[in-house]
Amino acid sequence: DAGVTQSPTHLIKTRGQQVTLRCSPKSGHDTVSWYQQALGQGPQFIFQYYEEEERQRGNFPDRFSGHQFPNYSSELNVNALLLGDSALYLCASSSLTDWDSYLEDRGNQPQHFGDGTRLSIL
Amino acid sequence: SQQGEEDPQALSIQEGENATMNCSYKTSINNLQWYRQNSGRGLVHLILIRSNEREKHSGRLRVTLDTSKKSSSLLITASRAADTASYFCATDSIQGGSEKLVFGKGTKLTVNP
Repeated sequence: DAGVTQSPTHLIKTRGQQVTLRCSPKSGHDTVSWYQQALGQGPQFIFQYYEEEERQRGNFPDRFSGHQFPNYSSELNVNALLLGDSALYLCASSSLTDWDSYLEDRGNQPQHFGDGTRLSIL
Repeated sequence: SQQGEEDPQALSIQEGENATMNCSYKTSINNLQWYRQNSGRGLVHLILIRSNEREKHSGRLRVTLDTSKKSSSLLITASRAADTASYFCATDSIQGGSEKLVFGKGTKLTVNP
């Protein structure tokens, strides 16, 4: 059973360009969250998708946008890239069923993270 | 913005010793979780403690939560070289729901063989 997969693993872009990052959630998960992790920092929540809609959003500008497809996979798009966008972008998937099981001590971890996409802006 | 701060920022110990990491946060929470991250990899969930719990154990891990002080600690007993990683606390706020996590900056733990 594949966990959360992200592509590409590494990406180099220049300022002003646009980038699309992809995430396939763990089998059975329907909720996808995206995080940005700058070097030496903790992850920061960008947004979360459920039923193909953005359900929650963190404090990120509109240059950051996303999409969720009917198969629950998701994309993160960033326009007009800045040097400060250089970071590890992490995708996490979850499901209400897994959360309920975990909180009732019946299941495994509630949220699974992919290994991320390392984005470097030159 | 970061919700909390882990303390210390870095910790180096010998194999077999215990490692204690602390986390402070700012707003009221539903749950507090601890995650582990090996260098440049994704995060792995370790343990969750609810706001009405004070202590929780899982294997070699012991987590405490003091909501009056808005702080938590993670104790790893009998550490191993394989425990070398960064450790993050993450909270979810009562207003934000249970899946939007706010992470601290992490503690980098090095366990020397």
